[in-house]
Amino acid sequence: GNSVTQMEGPVTLSEEAFLTINCTYTATGYPSLFWYVQYPGEGLQLLLKATKADDKGSNKGFEATYRKETTSFHLEKGSVQVSDSAVYFCALSDHSGNTPLVFGKGTRLSVIA
Amino acid sequence: GAGVSQSPSNKVTEKGKDVELRCDPISGHTALYWYRQSLGQGLEFLIYFQGNSAPDKSGLPSDRFSAERTGGSVSTLTIQRTQQEDSAVYLCASSVPSGGVADTQYFGPGTRLTVL
Repeated sequence: GNSVTQMEGPVTLSEEAFLTINCTYTATGYPSLFWYVQYPGEGLQLLLKATKADDKGSNKGFEATYRKETTSFHLEKGSVQVSDSAVYFCALSDHSGNTPLVFGKGTRLSVIA
Repeated sequence: GAGVSQSPSNKVTEKGKDVELRCDPISGHTALYWYRQSLGQGLEFLIYFQGNSAPDKSGLPSDRFSAERTGGSVSTLTIQRTQQEDSAVYLCASSVPSGGVADTQYFGPGTRLTVL
């Protein structure tokens, strides 16, 4: 079955540091890939997505590139801020249509000033 | 516009009692999903409704769990004879299919269920 593996947290960074959160997936066919973010006390929000190989999703300074050859969708940001502190979830959806998301276990990021 | 809403936001119940959790999707969204977020298991899919099609119940962990969606809008997730392992945050999401490509699911704030 489909699965998502993302790096264990928590991750603690200083403000303006470079962020990478690794995500790899196992899927049949050609899934769509997502990063969701959960800020403290808030619900899950879509951060970015990519629907086919070599697509790059980007939002709020975050980027992730759909790499079919390495089955990866790593999240990166060049300079994190305290306000980026949150839990980040990598997820996939079967490309056959609207299907439930399969999530990784989440990575908690704390950014300190 | 209004997002996905869920009620109650918190529910504390005693083991063995039944609970009902409600989800109001975004107006016009035909797809509705229930997920569960717990410390040990992360985010797990429970059940999925799409329009008038039969729901995909493949994620329900036991026959104590059921859900319905009336009039293609509001959904209720029912847990019968609750157990302590049912304690979790129950999340609802909705989306509007655009045909063949996975669409963005919009999540509600969740209902935190605590079974004593």
